[in-house]
Amino acid sequence: SQKIEQNSEALNIQEGKTATLTCNYTNYSPAYLQWYRQDPGRGPVFLLLIRENEKEKRKERLKVTFDTTLKQSLFHITASQPADSATYLCAAWMDSSYKLIFGSGTRLLVRP
Amino acid sequence: GAGVSQSPRYKVAKRGQDVALRCDPISGHVSLFWYQQALGQGPEFLTYFQNEAQLDKSGLPSDRFFAERPEGSVSTLKIQRTQQEDSAVYLCASSLSTSGKFEQYFGPGTRLTVT
Repeated sequence: SQKIEQNSEALNIQEGKTATLTCNYTNYSPAYLQWYRQDPGRGPVFLLLIRENEKEKRKERLKVTFDTTLKQSLFHITASQPADSATYLCAAWMDSSYKLIFGSGTRLLVRP
Repeated sequence: GAGVSQSPRYKVAKRGQDVALRCDPISGHVSLFWYQQALGQGPEFLTYFQNEAQLDKSGLPSDRFFAERPEGSVSTLKIQRTQQEDSAVYLCASSLSTSGKFEQYFGPGTRLTVT
C-alpha cells in the first residue's frame, strides 16, 4: 500500500538556522506532493505544492524539492523563527485516486 | 472570509451511542473530504464528495461509518454504535478543484472521545 514516511523524531534547531524536513515515499509515483503545517488543536494549513515534473518550488522563506529518483521531498525553512514551531505534514497525491496520503508529520521546535 | 467550520468541536460518547459530526465547507467549494487523525499521526482519508456525489468511500473503517452531503454543501459524518477505537479527531477539508490534488482547506476538527 502507498505510504509516506517522515522522521518521527522532533527537529530542534536554533533561531535563524535553516530547518530541513524529509519526506520519503516508496513503491509508487505521486503526481503531486503537498506540505502542510499543523498547530496543536487545529487543522492542517496548506503551505506548498510541487508537481512531479518540478524540481523545486519557493515561497518566501520556504523551499520544497522533489527528487523522483530518490523518491524524496525536502522541505526547507530558512531564517527559522520560534513562530515556525509546529508539526509539518507531507502528503502525496496520485492521479489514479482521490486520496491525499499523509505522513505522520515531523515536529519542528525553533529555540530563541 | 469564512473558512471551513466543524461542529461540535468536542464530543464525548458512551460506547454504543450514535454520533453525527457536521462540516460546513467554504462556499462554492466542489470537493469535500473527511479524514480521521489519531494522536501523533497524520490525517487518514475516509471519504470524498464531489458536490453531492460520494465518489470514494474506501477509507471508511466499517459499515458503522456513513457520510452524506445531500445538497452539495454541508456534510455530515455519522458513526453508529461507537467503539473506543473510534476515538480520534475527525477533520473535514474542502477544495475549489474537482479533485483534491490542489490545496485543501481544513476545518479545526471534531475531537471524539468514546468512553
